Amino acid sequence: GAGVSQTPSNKVTEKGKYVELRCDPISGHTALYWYRQSLGQGPEFLIYFQGTGAADDSGLPNDRFFAVRPEGSVSTLKIQRTERGDSAVYLCASSLSNSGNTMYFGEGSWLTVV
Amino acid sequence: GENVEQHPSTLSVQEGDSAVIKCTYSDSASNYFPWYKQELGKRPQLIIDIRSNVGEKKDQRIAVTLNKTAKHFSLHITETQPEDSAVYFCAASHQGAQKLVFGQGTRLTINP
Repeated sequence: GAGVSQTPSNKVTEKGKYVELRCDPISGHTALYWYRQSLGQGPEFLIYFQGTGAADDSGLPNDRFFAVRPEGSVSTLKIQRTERGDSAVYLCASSLSNSGNTMYFGEGSWLTVV
Repeated sequence: GENVEQHPSTLSVQEGDSAVIKCTYSDSASNYFPWYKQELGKRPQLIIDIRSNVGEKKDQRIAVTLNKTAKHFSLHITETQPEDSAVYFCAASHQGAQKLVFGQGTRLTINP
């Protein structure tokens, strides 16, 4: 596709439920990133994939958060036992790893935990 | 790890005037400094970036300056227009880390 695509755009879930957020990067981009953005804040790094492997998952806040990228393209961010504090916009970005760190963001998935 | 501080948090200027947003970073190994513009409910969009081998970069009304010694970089917008109103984020990274660390953002308002 022309840009980074994220689904769903909005998700409302009950506390304790399981949520999956999907990211489809720009075609040919080998690097994929997940960020979380709370209202009035800058994006906060969660995890970075180079190809299929998680090269850096140091930003995942706890073991309720997990992400996969099994074929090196689409990625899924999974959140177990959601809490109200997980409410935020989850942004995905991708980049061509051989062009430095120029990242292109998707529109985000707005998660609300009630 | 890297820490990026951004100032001011809000900035209001008259249309046609210039706006300047400043950021400082902590990791001397950082070598890439992009600026993103984010309109309400939209994705962050890259507007300009600079790498540590240059001190200044300009693209039409937008320029970025970098002072590696002082570890700070700034965004300059000249001849501001109402469509420049948005939240602007600075960020920093180095090749080894790949990830970007963002500042807290500056809400820029251009008054007609």
